[in-house]
Amino acid sequence: ELKVEQNPLFLSMQEGKNYTIYCNYSTTSDRLYWYRQDPGKSLESLFVLLSNGAVKQEGRLMASLDTKARLSTLHITAAVHDLSATYFCAVGASGGGADGLTFGKGTHLIIQP
Amino acid sequence: GAGVSQSPRYKVAKRGQDVALRCDPISGHVSLFWYQQALGQGPEFLTYFQNEAQLDKSGLPSDRFFAERPEGSVSTLKIQRTQQEDSAVYLCASSSGGRGRGYTFGSGTRLTVV
Repeated sequence: ELKVEQNPLFLSMQEGKNYTIYCNYSTTSDRLYWYRQDPGKSLESLFVLLSNGAVKQEGRLMASLDTKARLSTLHITAAVHDLSATYFCAVGASGGGADGLTFGKGTHLIIQP
Repeated sequence: GAGVSQSPRYKVAKRGQDVALRCDPISGHVSLFWYQQALGQGPEFLTYFQNEAQLDKSGLPSDRFFAERPEGSVSTLKIQRTQQEDSAVYLCASSSGGRGRGYTFGSGTRLTVV
C-alpha cells in the first residue's frame, strides 16, 4: 500500500524567510504532484515531477524529486504572506497513466508579516 | 467547459437520506476521479473512470457509495442512506490521460449529514 508522509504538518514562518516542506512516500513511483489549497477552495496544481532529479521552479517555490530516496521537497524562498495556504504532495502508482493519487495530510503554512 | 464543474456546492442531508453529487469534467477529458476530503485531511481516492468504464472503485468506503458515468462525460456520485461519517468535501478531478498530464480539480461539494 502506497503511503505518503509530509512534514511538517503545521508551519508558521515570517515573511522573508526560507523553508522546506518534505514529502516521503513508501513505494516506487514515477509521478509526484504538488498542490496548493486555500481555505474553502479546491486544489490548484503547482508542479508535476516525473523523473529522478527533476527540479521545477515557479516564482518563490521550487520543487524537486529524488526517486531513489522516495523524497520530494518544496522549497519556499523569501516567503510572502500570499503564500499562506495548505500544500499537498500526491503520488501516483508506478507505471500508471492517469490513475488515482495518494495524498499526504498536507502542510498548513502560515506566513506572518 | 473551461474547468471542472461540480454541483451542488453545498448539501445538507438528514441521516438516512440519499444524495447525488454531480461532476461535469473538462470537455474531452477521458479520465475522471472522485475524492473524499475530510476536514483537515488530504483528499482520499474513491473511484476512477476512463470514459464510461469504471476502472477502479477500490476507494469507495462502503456499498452505500455508487458512481456512474454512463456517456463518458458527466459523472454522478450517489450516497445512499447517508451517515454522519459521510460528511466531507467530495472533489472531482479530470485529466486528458497519460503520466505527464496534470489533474484539474473542481471546487467540490461540501456534504454535511445531520
